[in-house]
Amino acid sequence: DGGITQSPKYLFRKEGQNVTLSCEQNLNHDAMYWYRQDPGQGLRLIYYSQIVNDFQKGDIAEGYSVSREKKESFPLTVTSAQKNPTAFYLCASSSLGTLTVDSPLHFGNGTRLTVT
Amino acid sequence: AQTVTQSQPEMSVQEAETVTLSCTYDTSENNYYLFWYKQPPSRQMILVIRQEAYKQQNATENRFSVNFQKAAKSFSLKISDSQLGDTAMYFCAFYGGATNKLIFGTGTLLAVQP
Repeated sequence: DGGITQSPKYLFRKEGQNVTLSCEQNLNHDAMYWYRQDPGQGLRLIYYSQIVNDFQKGDIAEGYSVSREKKESFPLTVTSAQKNPTAFYLCASSSLGTLTVDSPLHFGNGTRLTVT
Repeated sequence: AQTVTQSQPEMSVQEAETVTLSCTYDTSENNYYLFWYKQPPSRQMILVIRQEAYKQQNATENRFSVNFQKAAKSFSLKISDSQLGDTAMYFCAFYGGATNKLIFGTGTLLAVQP
């Protein structure tokens, strides 16, 4: 079955360590996205990529980095510069670089990151 | 800048009843897209319904329908014959303009009571 796989489901790290969250899709979608979800704040866009080897900052990119070397993969690195990294992270994809009703956002199951 | 407002942080409905979740947005764009997503306790985000702004007809998907009022910039979600499995956080989202970003509201937590 086609879908978006995020791993691991739960991730624990010590403060000061970088950590990379995995996101793989086999939907052959062009665009991929990373969102952060905190209680009471909805979803906020971290980074997105509309095409391989290209990506743009979202609203809260500080302290994060991404790469898009392959169409199916869009890993997110949470660096030690991110002041409040503990959150639920959602990866998403869309068939086109722009969203439409025929090319909506599809989400993975998320990764809960806890930094202590 | 576009914004999405969901003014009901929590709602409750009895099983088999109908409930309406509110969503308003602010934009100067004429053409855009609106979405409702559902996030159950599993935290998987599931697309519920979608609407194109230039289409007057309200979208429907089985028990889910919207009341799209473009002039009022309102996009409410109606759930008919509520089921226990409808218990979830519901997010309204807007896409349009040059920002190329899907903008989410803060969500409404819906509890369906048996």
